Parts: sequence; C-alpha cells; structure tokens
Amino acid sequence: AQSVAQPEDQVNVAEGNPLTVKCTYSVSGNPYLFWYVQYPNRGLQFLLKYITGDNLVKGSYGFEAEFNKSQTSFHLKKPSALVSDSALYFCAVMTTDSWGKFQFGAGTQVVVTP
Amino acid sequence: NAGVTQTPKFQVLKTGQSMTLQCAQDMNHEYMSWYRQDPGMGLRLIHYSVGAGITDQGEVPNGYNVSRSTTEDFPLRLLSAAPSQTSVYFCASTWSANTGELFFGEGSRLTVL
Repeated sequence: AQSVAQPEDQVNVAEGNPLTVKCTYSVSGNPYLFWYVQYPNRGLQFLLKYITGDNLVKGSYGFEAEFNKSQTSFHLKKPSALVSDSALYFCAVMTTDSWGKFQFGAGTQVVVTP
Repeated sequence: NAGVTQTPKFQVLKTGQSMTLQCAQDMNHEYMSWYRQDPGMGLRLIHYSVGAGITDQGEVPNGYNVSRSTTEDFPLRLLSAAPSQTSVYFCASTWSANTGELFFGEGSRLTVL
C-alpha cells in the first residue's frame, strides 16, 4: 500500500520569506513524487516531479523540492514567497508497483501575507 | 487546444437518480482518470484508464462506472446517486501513467439531496 502525508493543514508565511510545505510518503518500491497547486475554484496544476536522478528538482514559478530517501520526504520549497503563491498545495505519489494509481495527500493551504 | 473539458460544471441530483459526468481531452493522452475532492481528504482516485478499452479501479470505485471507448473521452457514471457522493469531481489526463504530469479539468460540483 502507498500513502502520502502532509502534516500541516495550513502554512502561514510573510511575503519575501522562505516557504516550505512538508510531505512524507510510505510506499513499497521506488516512488514517483509530484507536487500540484490548486487555486480557488480551479483544477490542479502540475508544479514539479521526481522520478530519478538529482534529488533536488526545480519546477514552475520558482518552486523546488528535495527528495530524501532516508527520511521518505519530498518537501516543497520556495526561497521567497509571493502573495500570489497563496493556494492549496498537494503532494502525490505513485510507484512502479501501482502504475496509474496516483495517491494524493490531504493538501496544505498556504497563506502568504503582505 | 482546449485541454481537459468537463461537463457539467454544476449538477444537483436527488437520491437514486443517475447521471453521467463527461470528460474529454484533445491532447491525445493515453491515460485518463477521475478523482473526487472532499474537504480534508485531498483527492481520491475513483477509476482510471491507461488506454482505450482499458479501465481499472482506484481507491473509491463503489457507486461509479466508467468506460473508455475512445482515446478522447472518459465518462463517469453514477448509477444511483447517494448523498455521500456529494463532492467535487475532477478528470485528469496525461500521456502515460509514468509521466505523472496530470492535466486537470476545471471540476464538476455535484450535490445529491
């Protein structure tokens, strides 16, 4: 079985400060890890993914994430948050043992204040 | 290029009624899937398809049917709606399951009374 945990329901950060959204996973097999963002009343948009290779992956809008196999984590980061980054963020995982079965976390609401 | 199109955007049903949520994509994606989004529970996979003629169950398939007769279309059928199926439904597609870059529709908000 596979699972994804996003331990924080909400993250509050001031504009210009670093932003971190946490994600941990539990899988059998090698994980494929993803981050998506959802703006109000919209569908999700892809931010970045880790399949293999460099543990630090860069994605859209200045976001990056680091794959840590020993800690089974894939935290999303941005060096300097913008008010426009306020949205709902989802971590997702899939494995080669479960092709096509994407498992999403519960989501983390990010609020960036001016 | 419209991407992933879902219809209807809003629907109210009475318990026991049936309906079909439509999903179409024009990107020649092999993989298509349906999710439901409920507060505090993230997105849960209902059914998915890795190609025309092939479908499989996700995490919460009960009460829903799907078919994939063409590459472009992946309708989701509710056979006998229940209040527990009140949710926002999203269709998503990608080129193949191992790319992971899902393209989502705008969602369909369903209320079952």
